[in-house]
Amino acid sequence: GENVEQHPSTLSVQEGDSAVIKCTYSDSASNYFPWYKQELGKGPQLIIDIRSNVGEKKDQRIAVTLNKTAKHFSLHITETQPEDSAVYFCAASLVPGGGNKLTFGTGTQLKVEL
Amino acid sequence: GAVVSQHPSWVICKSGTSVKIECRSLDFQATTMFWYRQFPKQSLMLMATSNEGSKATYEQGVEKDKFLINHASLTLSTLTVTSAHPEDSSFYICSARRTSPRTDTQYFGPGTRLTVL
Repeated sequence: GENVEQHPSTLSVQEGDSAVIKCTYSDSASNYFPWYKQELGKGPQLIIDIRSNVGEKKDQRIAVTLNKTAKHFSLHITETQPEDSAVYFCAASLVPGGGNKLTFGTGTQLKVEL
Repeated sequence: GAVVSQHPSWVICKSGTSVKIECRSLDFQATTMFWYRQFPKQSLMLMATSNEGSKATYEQGVEKDKFLINHASLTLSTLTVTSAHPEDSSFYICSARRTSPRTDTQYFGPGTRLTVL
């Protein structure tokens, strides 16, 4: 089955700096890669996703890049703000054939310091 | 759009009792919903896939008689923890799969904190 590794487990940045979180996946058939933000005591919130037919996607301060050959994808947050502090999870799945059954990474605790 | 609710948000129960958690997709229909369990400072662990009108598919190691899942409509799935014990205390989160010709996305509920005394 699919295995997703995520690094780093914790990341501390100064407000205004950029943050990068990296994930690798094992199953070359996976074609859908979402990123979720989870605040303490809440459910995960989808922040951006990318499909395997594109290499990069951007939404304001957030971008995701995908390298299918190397089987890794990354989340980039620019101009970080204190409200970006949360746990971020990457995931991988196969759609539609795999039923979008997500395999999650282990999470990254991002702390944005003033 | 794409709002998923869970009820209750938290519940405390005595050992041996059963607890039902509801998951609703409020603004879209979901033929598939998923149930996850999350321990403190850990990732989400998929427990089962709930399909409307059919039996749920459980992940390896998850007791189907312990965690009863019912997906009776396109907007509602329920998880019942039967004969709960302290080791069942956890954060339970559901998600609903939203599909269209251009999208196939999971949206998560806010979670339910279960504490078994």
